[in-house]
Amino acid sequence: DGGITQSPKYLFRKEGQNVTLSCEQNLNHDAMYWYRQDPGQGLRLIYYSQIVNDFQKGDIAEGYSVSREKKESFPLTVTSAQKNPTAFYLCASSAFLGHTTDGGYTFGSGTRLTVV
Amino acid sequence: QKEVEQNSGPLSVPEGAIASLNCTYSDRGSQSFFWYRQYSGKSPELIMFIYSNGDKEDGRFTAQLNKASQYVSLLIRDSQPSDSATYLCAGFTGTASKLTFGTGTRLQVTL
Repeated sequence: DGGITQSPKYLFRKEGQNVTLSCEQNLNHDAMYWYRQDPGQGLRLIYYSQIVNDFQKGDIAEGYSVSREKKESFPLTVTSAQKNPTAFYLCASSAFLGHTTDGGYTFGSGTRLTVV
Repeated sequence: QKEVEQNSGPLSVPEGAIASLNCTYSDRGSQSFFWYRQYSGKSPELIMFIYSNGDKEDGRFTAQLNKASQYVSLLIRDSQPSDSATYLCAGFTGTASKLTFGTGTRLQVTL
């Protein structure tokens, strides 16, 4: 079955440590996205990528980095510069853009990151 | 002004009633709109999308779009306790090539 897989489901980070969240899709989607969700604040866009080897900053990119070396993969690194990383992180993908009905996203199951 | 706005709720409706969830948007270039349901601790799942003015029905769900008023709504008929969740409205703008989400409305269906 096609889908989008995030791992790990739970992740604990120590102060000053970088951690990487994995996101893999086998839907052959062109675009991939990373969102952060905090209670009461909805989804906030961190980074997105429309094609391989290209990505754009979202609304809250500071303290995060990404790469898009393969169409299927879009890992997110939470660096030590992100001072308040505890949140629920969601990865999503979509078929390319251009056609209105293809604009919908498929979400992964999420990674819950906690600073310890 | 937020691009997509929703009342955070909670919206409480009795079982069997119609739940009406509303969303307004500021970008007149928005082409299509999506409703996602999100249970606590889970990821959002797509319920419906709409891109033409008027109504679109799918089972117990009806999405309504009024581009002149920049207003989108989701009606849930015969509400069930399992419908209790947060509902996210999102608008898609071709030029921006991404969805913009509202903060969501929490729906509680009471017995």
